[in-house]
Amino acid sequence: QKEVEQDPGPLSVPEGAIVSLNCTYSNSAFQYFMWYRQYSRKGPELLMYTYSSGNKEDGRFTAQVDKSSKYISLFIRDSQPSDSATYLCAMSAYNFNKFYFGSGTKLNVKP
Amino acid sequence: EAGVAQSPRYKIIEKRQSVAFWCNPISGHATLYWYQQILGQGPKLLIQFQNNGVVDDSQLPKDRFSAERLKGVDSTLKIQPAKLEDSAVYLCASSQMRGGVSGNTIYFGEGSWLTVV
Repeated sequence: QKEVEQDPGPLSVPEGAIVSLNCTYSNSAFQYFMWYRQYSRKGPELLMYTYSSGNKEDGRFTAQVDKSSKYISLFIRDSQPSDSATYLCAMSAYNFNKFYFGSGTKLNVKP
Repeated sequence: EAGVAQSPRYKIIEKRQSVAFWCNPISGHATLYWYQQILGQGPKLLIQFQNNGVVDDSQLPKDRFSAERLKGVDSTLKIQPAKLEDSAVYLCASSQMRGGVSGNTIYFGEGSWLTVV
């Protein structure tokens, strides 16, 4: 079983839709959860960072962590064509500098 | 604050040739990573340095890949001889472990895109 599972998509939505991207994980020691956005031919860019459980909001983006279910989500409200990219989830354990990545979900927002 | 710098951005070589990639991490970041990312997949860790020591190189194909981080700052990743399956983007990343709520985050460079023909 992989440490982190992520639906590869692709996910295609119309502009303005609410997008939900998800990852599941198996290691209960994970405390830090990240979402990266990767545009074509670019490196991953840190989008959201969450420590432990709960929600974190930044503009149109909301990151949600449910440690009891070992499940994390990224919600994008009012999606824009510029949000079209691959979204990677990543996580690490407390005081441990090793990161585990999902395989990425490719999102296409149609104008 | 300057980000992670990588070069070259793009490289095309023939199989059995050699190639080297360079990385300069974010200033003050003690941990440096090299990842391989094949199209449609997540990053796969090749090697992790803490200062200039190797922490994890368990997935580095040591018969053809080598990496060094002299003086605990810049790093180079070399492939010799290259195979067709090495075609991928090589991502350098760095992190500064703080622990607690400030926690750990990892920052990537733009990547070095390798095509082996």
